[in-house]
Amino acid sequence: DAGVTQSPTHLIKTRGQQVTLRCSPKSGHDTVSWYQQALGQGPQFIFQYYEEEERQRGNFPDRFSGHQFPNYSSELNVNALLLGDSALYLCASSLGYIEQETQYFGPGTRLLVL
Amino acid sequence: DAKTTQPPSMDCAEGRAANLPCNHSTISGNEYVYWYRQIHSQGPQYIIHGLKNNETNEMASLIITEDRKSSTLILPHATLRDTAVYYCIVRVAQGGTNAGKSTFGDGTTLTVKP
Repeated sequence: DAGVTQSPTHLIKTRGQQVTLRCSPKSGHDTVSWYQQALGQGPQFIFQYYEEEERQRGNFPDRFSGHQFPNYSSELNVNALLLGDSALYLCASSLGYIEQETQYFGPGTRLLVL
Repeated sequence: DAKTTQPPSMDCAEGRAANLPCNHSTISGNEYVYWYRQIHSQGPQYIIHGLKNNETNEMASLIITEDRKSSTLILPHATLRDTAVYYCIVRVAQGGTNAGKSTFGDGTTLTVKP
């Protein structure tokens, strides 16, 4: 049973650039959530995708956008990168809007902005 | 979303039970208590969750007080590999607004010592 996978594992960008991170959900899951985790802090919710639509959004600027594909995989895009965007980006998948949906996390993508 | 309070750090001797407390005094009736742990900045690993009854699985036990304002995660026989940051979160698990959003605090750093 394939778990949540993310690519790439590490990424280095410079300020002002754009980045795209990818996530494949756990087998059988159809909902993907994205989190940002700065060093020494807990993960912070960015947004959630279900049925190819953004369903919820945390307190992140419009520079952060996403997409979900028909196969439930997802992308996180960040435009105009800032130094403060350096973080571990985590993808979590779950099974739709049903009772007791548990989120399972991927290994993350570590982004460094120089 | 309800917030949680956890001690920043705890130590435990190898082979002994580790009891990690969590306060969630503002929890709502439809919010579950979830526990995750994170090792070496990998993705958070799901441990256990519950609504109001005590729960046990192969990893741990979860004890929730009758008023649901606090809970304790119990690792019955801690090993060195249990050294990690443990996060307690409360989250609406049923469908609807905020159903999939997990709000993480800073967690408890558990150090298991030989």
